[in-house]
Amino acid sequence: DIQMTQSPSSLSASVGDRVTITCRASQGINNKLAWFQQKPGKAPKSLIYAASSLQSGVPSKFSGSGSGTDFTLTISSLQPEDFATYYCQQYSSYPLTFGGGTKVEIK
Amino acid sequence: QVLLVQSGAEVEKPGASVKASCKASGYTFTNYYMHWVRQAPGQGLEWMGRILPSDSNTRYAQKFQGRLTLTRDTSTSTVYMELSSLRSEDTAVYYCITGYSSGNGIEWGQGTLVTVSS
Repeated sequence: DIQMTQSPSSLSASVGDRVTITCRASQGINNKLAWFQQKPGKAPKSLIYAASSLQSGVPSKFSGSGSGTDFTLTISSLQPEDFATYYCQQYSSYPLTFGGGTKVEIK
Repeated sequence: QVLLVQSGAEVEKPGASVKASCKASGYTFTNYYMHWVRQAPGQGLEWMGRILPSDSNTRYAQKFQGRLTLTRDTSTSTVYMELSSLRSEDTAVYYCITGYSSGNGIEWGQGTLVTVSS
């Protein structure tokens, strides 16, 4: 199984901050990497697929980058509605696997 | 637009089975895999399995082999997830997801809460 290691597991940031979350795969995943945002009591929402493609309707403050085994989600200017938990997921091989999540909290 | 609508919450006793549904619309149902993922209270996301609606080809996570069955009804564009021999650890929200290979993004259902309790 491909292990997905997300860091940090949590972070505190202020409105307007630039935030970066990283995800490392235990082997190459051909850029088949997605990022999801989840708020308490809600279904996850897709942000990024294929490592860097923005899901339709998602604001451009979210961006994804990386290749091979190392990937990054960046939020360019954190807003109150962005406080949530973020997950990465590889869909290159079975079983599909998720990172452990990054909880973004208000400083 | 792609829409996945899941069935309502279920409460089941240990040892029973649960069957949840996921009705798809807004795209050609048979073209893309439908996956199921679950999330136990306060925990992360766990992939369970997937089905290809065009031919019912299935693949399951090792953990769920023998307990999980995915089926589909092409006449109603609906996928069903049945989990048997339920135990308390199966209490979770179950999500259907599609679109990984569509090139148009990944879409989630709203989730089905399954509670296993005596």
